Amino acid sequence: DIQMTQSPSSVSASVGDRVTITCRASQGIGIWLAWYQQKRGKAPELLIYAASSLESGVPSRFSGSGAGTDFTLTISSLQPDDFATYYCQQTDSFPYTFGQGTKLEIK
Amino acid sequence: QVQLQESGPGLVKTSQTLSLTCTVSGGSFNSGSYYWNWIRQPAGKGLEWIGRIYSSGSTNYNPSLKSRVTMSIDMSKKQFSLELTSVTAADTAVYYCARDPWFQRKGLDYWGQGVLVTVSS
Repeated sequence: DIQMTQSPSSVSASVGDRVTITCRASQGIGIWLAWYQQKRGKAPELLIYAASSLESGVPSRFSGSGAGTDFTLTISSLQPDDFATYYCQQTDSFPYTFGQGTKLEIK
Repeated sequence: QVQLQESGPGLVKTSQTLSLTCTVSGGSFNSGSYYWNWIRQPAGKGLEWIGRIYSSGSTNYNPSLKSRVTMSIDMSKKQFSLELTSVTAADTAVYYCARDPWFQRKGLDYWGQGVLVTVSS
């Protein structure tokens, strides 16, 4: 299985800050990486797919980059609604695997 | 707007079979454009992909669960289902169903709200 490792596991930030979350794959996955946001008690929501494509309806302050083994999710200017847990997922090969999550908390 | 809704027992006895159904509305369930997935999440933990099924009945399962998992699909009812046999407390989790537009390689673009399944003797 491809292991997905996110860093940091948690981060504290303030409204207006720029935040970057990293996801590393244990082997190359091309661009086949998705990012999700999950709020407490809710299902995950797709933010970014194919490493850098913004899902319809997702604010443009979210962006993704990377290819191969190293990927990043960036939130350019944090809004109150962005405090949540973020997961990466590889869709290059089976079984699809997720990172362990990054919890974004208010400083 | 596509909607997915999980249903099934919230409590399953140890060693028995967990059975869940996902009902899809508002979208092109009958098209060949999607795989239909199951994912689970133990309380306070991360996400685990269980597997997926296509309209033809073709499946892909997580090898860690493959010996205990069966997925099925009923196109006429716009439903797909999960069976997990010989459950233990480790199978206690929120179970989600989700849509995978495979031709776009998007990952999972629509999710159900999730259903908590507790395994207990």
